[in-house]
Amino acid sequence: EPEVTQTPSHQVTQMGQEVILRCVPISNHLYFYWYRQILGQKVEFLVSFYNNEISEKSEIFDDQFSVERPDGSNFTLKIRSTKLEDSAMYFCASRQDSSSYNSPLHFGNGTRLTVT
Amino acid sequence: ILNVEQSPQSLHVQEGDSTNFTCSFPSSNFYALHWYRWETAKSPEALFVMTLNGDEKKKGRISATLNTKEGYSYLYIKGSQPEDSATYLCAFLKTSYDKVIFGPGTSLSVIP
Repeated sequence: EPEVTQTPSHQVTQMGQEVILRCVPISNHLYFYWYRQILGQKVEFLVSFYNNEISEKSEIFDDQFSVERPDGSNFTLKIRSTKLEDSAMYFCASRQDSSSYNSPLHFGNGTRLTVT
Repeated sequence: ILNVEQSPQSLHVQEGDSTNFTCSFPSSNFYALHWYRWETAKSPEALFVMTLNGDEKKKGRISATLNTKEGYSYLYIKGSQPEDSATYLCAFLKTSYDKVIFGPGTSLSVIP
């Protein structure tokens, strides 16, 4: 069964450094998402992406964050200048949807980002 | 602000007990309600996608109901087993292309 893949599984970075988290969504899916979970807290929405542009973003997704789908398969989340509070598990998800089929999210296994 | 609430926050049951928990969501502009199971060290896995008022879905010992008019969904687990221990998340969409907003989850522990 096709799955969403994320790399790396764990990223350690120093405060102020840029990080890029990578995701390969399921190939025929149309909607792409990034979520994060800070340890012990709820899953938080960051951004949704459809038709090659951001469709919605949360307050967390400020100017330090950006997303790209550079080549039709990868979907990346960039954090330009990481802060300690960016330490979290970041999940990529994709969804296929149409007028006749309402699909759930398919999640990757996550990237654990540790900012020191 | 869209609020999706879940109760209880956590639950401990004995093996064999049946249990249920609640998800509440805004009752206006409803598109879909999802249920996910999230086991420790894994990613969330979809259980059900519910779209119509009165929907009832079942997968093995787990079932769910949906009331869009009053804005709630129940998840039921019959005869809980230790392998059912996980966090159960509900998630709400108000349109097809909208963000999927998650509730805080109900953490279930089934004691053998």
